[in-house]
Amino acid sequence: SSELTQDPAVSVALGQTVRITCQGDSLRSYYASWYQQKPGQAPVLVIYGKNNRPSGIPDRFSGSSSGNTASLTITGAQAEDEADYYCNSRDSSGNHLEVFGTGTKVTVL
Amino acid sequence: EVQLVESGGGLVQPGGSLRLSCAASGFTFSSYAMHWVRQAPGKGLEYVSAISSNGGSTYYANSVKGRFTISRDNSKNTLYLQMGSLRAEDMAVYYCAREGGFYWGQGTLVTVSS
Repeated sequence: SSELTQDPAVSVALGQTVRITCQGDSLRSYYASWYQQKPGQAPVLVIYGKNNRPSGIPDRFSGSSSGNTASLTITGAQAEDEADYYCNSRDSSGNHLEVFGTGTKVTVL
Repeated sequence: EVQLVESGGGLVQPGGSLRLSCAASGFTFSSYAMHWVRQAPGKGLEYVSAISSNGGSTYYANSVKGRFTISRDNSKNTLYLQMGSLRAEDMAVYYCAREGGFYWGQGTLVTVSS
């Protein structure tokens, strides 16, 4: 099955910009989705498709992709953005499943 | 309002079985594929299983293939995950999610321990 690799942790100063990356072969064929998860809560979809935000997700969240790498950018990070972030895509091995990235802990300083 | 409510989690001994349920409301359940995703304590998300909208196609992660069975009852708007031959590494919060990832349940905890 496919694998998606993320940096374990990143930090960002309040109001600054942070980019989280996700690498994997499946990203050459499929767009990544991005989920935010806060402690004790279910994941929340923040980006899907080429660069789409579900209703209610602030426009400081954006997504992009190039080759085997997808990125989630938070422009003007807020304290409430401190969370774990997971990328996700279809599994390119043909098993009709999906795969999650290893996760990135974002700390807002 | 879309709601997904999992139930059925609990403490089970290694080798035991458990059936999880996910009650759906607020949307046409029979029109959507559904997924189960789990998260072991302190770990990341792991995709477990998926089922097509009519239940005719099912898919499993290698880690659970042959031990877990996903099913659905569209007349009851309910998704199931029958788990068997449970192992310590199956201990996790199990989430159900509607295809697309827009909606998730709150999760139900499965603890595998003697």
